[in-house]
Amino acid sequence: KNEVEQSPQNLTAQEGEFITINCSYSVGISALHWLQQHPGGGIVSLFMLSSGKKKHGRLIATINIQEKHSSLHITASHPRDSAVYICAAQRQGGSEKLVFGKGTKLTVNP
Amino acid sequence: EAGVVQSPRYKIIEKKQPVAFWCNPISGHNTLYWYRQNLGQGPELLIRYENEEAVDDSQLPKDRFSAERLKGVDSTLKIQPAELGDSAVYLCASSLVSSYNEQFFGPGTRLTVL
Repeated sequence: KNEVEQSPQNLTAQEGEFITINCSYSVGISALHWLQQHPGGGIVSLFMLSSGKKKHGRLIATINIQEKHSSLHITASHPRDSAVYICAAQRQGGSEKLVFGKGTKLTVNP
Repeated sequence: EAGVVQSPRYKIIEKKQPVAFWCNPISGHNTLYWYRQNLGQGPELLIRYENEEAVDDSQLPKDRFSAERLKGVDSTLKIQPAELGDSAVYLCASSLVSSYNEQFFGPGTRLTVL
């Protein structure tokens, strides 16, 4: 079983829909990262959070430390939001290595 | 300010050939990471540098992979000889201090081994 699991693997939505991507992890973490990867490979960091909730524009990230679960929400989705969204757990202690999920491929149709 | 620069963007080679990837991190960033990303998977750390010192290379297949970061700035990742299973995207990232909190990724090099 992977240490970081994301669901769904693929998600197709219509423009304007509310999107939720889920991430569960099994390791002790000091932080949880959400990243966006567009076709062509470039990765952009969206959020780093260790508790509660963060909001940036139409993106919202939440984390429940007790349940070891995080969600990424996109409100009023747009075709330009189409990308792969990756959850990464920053391990507690030691090297604090990032452990990545496999990603969720989001396609938003006009 | 320029981001993390990688070259080449694409490379196609035959198996058993050598290949090298180059990375120029963001100016002033002490920590540099090399990741490998297989199709449909998340990135996996190969090696992490703090300045010129490799502080975590536990996932680097040392029989065929090597890396260096001379003068603690640019870095090169080499594979010799390449195998079919090495086909992947090789990502370089950098961060300001020895922390994973603020990583900035390059565009990656897509390697195809035939």
